[in-house]
Amino acid sequence: DAGITQSPRHKVTETGTPVTLRCHQTENHRYMYWYRQDPGHGLRLIHYSYGVKDTDKGEVSDGYSVSRSKTEDFLLTLESATSSQTSVYFCAIKGTAAGNEQFFGPGTRLTVL
Amino acid sequence: GENVEQHPSTLSVQEGDSAVIKCTYSDSASNYFPWYKQELGKGPQLIIDIRSNVGEKKDQRIAVTLNKTAKHFSLHITETQPEDSAVYFCAASQVQGAQKLVFGQGTRLTINP
Repeated sequence: DAGITQSPRHKVTETGTPVTLRCHQTENHRYMYWYRQDPGHGLRLIHYSYGVKDTDKGEVSDGYSVSRSKTEDFLLTLESATSSQTSVYFCAIKGTAAGNEQFFGPGTRLTVL
Repeated sequence: GENVEQHPSTLSVQEGDSAVIKCTYSDSASNYFPWYKQELGKGPQLIIDIRSNVGEKKDQRIAVTLNKTAKHFSLHITETQPEDSAVYFCAASQVQGAQKLVFGQGTRLTINP
């Protein structure tokens, strides 16, 4: 799992409430990513980070914000959750070895009622 | 931006037979093509990848081929085993920098004993 943990692993919340998902890595990787996975869409990039306080948008960033105040933590926030944000969220890191591969965490299943 | 199409969406083969999954991409700037395997309830796991400077890469029973001219790449699994049953995703991006992966829709592979 490349030293990636996500919390919580499962969450049920109500429409309009704020939600924050956490990704934690133990290997000091520069790049971190948030993807969402929905049936029929594969995985889609929400936001990514290329360093502390350095973030940028992905293809489905509307309704989401991110923060990275420490190398090891990348937070995804839904300011006001909607039912369309019900999904499985995956964090990933890009390895620093020659391969430059992305490794994924175990995921967080979020249900917005 | 990049668009990745993956076919078929489901594939069922007899144990011991071969399985082939195909993907096409649209952005000629893409030069990195990973394949991920996802088992139920887990995050995607990288199984093989290929860069645009090679046409084929093998790792035991798994191989990936790339046709840059036609903008398509394929995953080949030979001598399939029950543990190969999973959902497989292809993706495309540029290998350096942010490496913003664009994923195909996924193929559910079932190996029948």
